[in-house]
Amino acid sequence: GAGVSQTPSNKVTEKGKYVELRCDPISGHTALYWYRQSLGQGPEFLIYFQGTGAADDSGLPNDRFFAVRPEGSVSTLKIQRTERGDSAVYLCASSSGYSRNEQFFGPGTRLTVL
Amino acid sequence: KQEVTQIPAALSVPEGENLVLNCSFTDSAIYNLQWFRQDPGKGLTSLLLIQSSQREQTSGRLNASLDKSSGRSTLYIAASQPGDSATYLCAEQTIIQGAQKLVFGQGTRLTINP
Repeated sequence: GAGVSQTPSNKVTEKGKYVELRCDPISGHTALYWYRQSLGQGPEFLIYFQGTGAADDSGLPNDRFFAVRPEGSVSTLKIQRTERGDSAVYLCASSSGYSRNEQFFGPGTRLTVL
Repeated sequence: KQEVTQIPAALSVPEGENLVLNCSFTDSAIYNLQWFRQDPGKGLTSLLLIQSSQREQTSGRLNASLDKSSGRSTLYIAASQPGDSATYLCAEQTIIQGAQKLVFGQGTRLTINP
């Protein structure tokens, strides 16, 4: 079956611009996660959705970052007034939310802020 | 604060050798431990997940163990092949007030030399 998909695969933008990153989870997965990975580092948690609601947004670095999941499936990560330090790979994962809660990751979106 | 450490940061071995990758974590309230593989420029592929009630999991040439009392997990790769070259990441998951997230180590970059 289809895995987690993310679009675009690459995004280049200028400092100060607004960007949206999209994640399509595995069908039927109720839990969705966003992580950010800088070069040479492990991914860092940003936000977790259970259904439509954000159950934990403690990893969002500041109020320029926002994410939604209006229908409990597709999610969009939104970054306002982008800064060069936002450049990273943004990873999305989904899980069934049941006992094993194994997370499956998408290929990521590489964001470059010039 | 949850912390996950992976040692060594990089490892290079000749083809055919058996090897062990190490992962240590600080949070004893672990829910599960997940091992991933990441190829350059790609997303994360889940290799093995060990629930807190388990001590090990096996998949083909891979075996992962979990020792909660010492805060350690190991990934054993038997009869290594050049195709095993990748970065291996371990991640700890705890559940606090219903919120679920993975905390990653920085990874071990593995090179298998033909």
